[in-house]
Amino acid sequence: QSVLTQPQSASGTPGQRVVISCSGGRSNIGTSTVTWYQHVPGSAPKLLIYLNNQRPSGVSDRFSGSKSGTSASLAISGLQSEDEADYYCAVWDDSLDGDVFGTGTKVTVL
Amino acid sequence: QVQLQESGPGLVKPSQTLSLTCTVSGGSISSGPYDWAWLRQSAGKGLEWIGHIYTRGDSGHTTLNPSLRGRVAMSAAPSKNVFSLTLTSVTAVDTAVYFCARAQRGNYYYYYYMDVWGRGTAVTVSS
Repeated sequence: QSVLTQPQSASGTPGQRVVISCSGGRSNIGTSTVTWYQHVPGSAPKLLIYLNNQRPSGVSDRFSGSKSGTSASLAISGLQSEDEADYYCAVWDDSLDGDVFGTGTKVTVL
Repeated sequence: QVQLQESGPGLVKPSQTLSLTCTVSGGSISSGPYDWAWLRQSAGKGLEWIGHIYTRGDSGHTTLNPSLRGRVAMSAAPSKNVFSLTLTSVTAVDTAVYFCARAQRGNYYYYYYMDVWGRGTAVTVSS
């Protein structure tokens, strides 16, 4: 059972905006910065957002991250079919002394 | 461009030891402010961080997932530019796709993220 909670699924039609939440606690999101990964099963996970809201070079600006208190969110605007994947939040947990991942959210483009 | 490639047996018997190697190309594991990490994903479940190793010269320091501490070890061979994972006394619960990755870490883990990943290698624990 993960210490970071995400919705199991999210969906939208092409062009829509989808927001995925990640709920944690004081020892993780409340202390450290949040990372988001995109994972298409069968391939390598991809770094999407780091330092709460920074995009690596090459990641579309349709992806944005934010953090407030002990929660974080990932927004995907202008949803495209290629965005179908599993999305995970992750953060270092000071109490557990390790990196923890969210439960994962499967995004479907209708 | 740094690339990582996992290798190891696809099948391990229960109670035996799982050993995996990650070969790094395009960069040295003993230079740069990076940790070298292992993660896994069991079928139908999310990603789990196993731990990482930080190398400088011939020395390495590991930080491991407390839930696996006692069964897991990591090592590195800078001369070969590889790092390895060993997991003892495996059971069916350890059946998963195992990934190696490069991690970036800030002071006091203010930030910690994996920016380069391998494609993963599937390991099944079964007799």
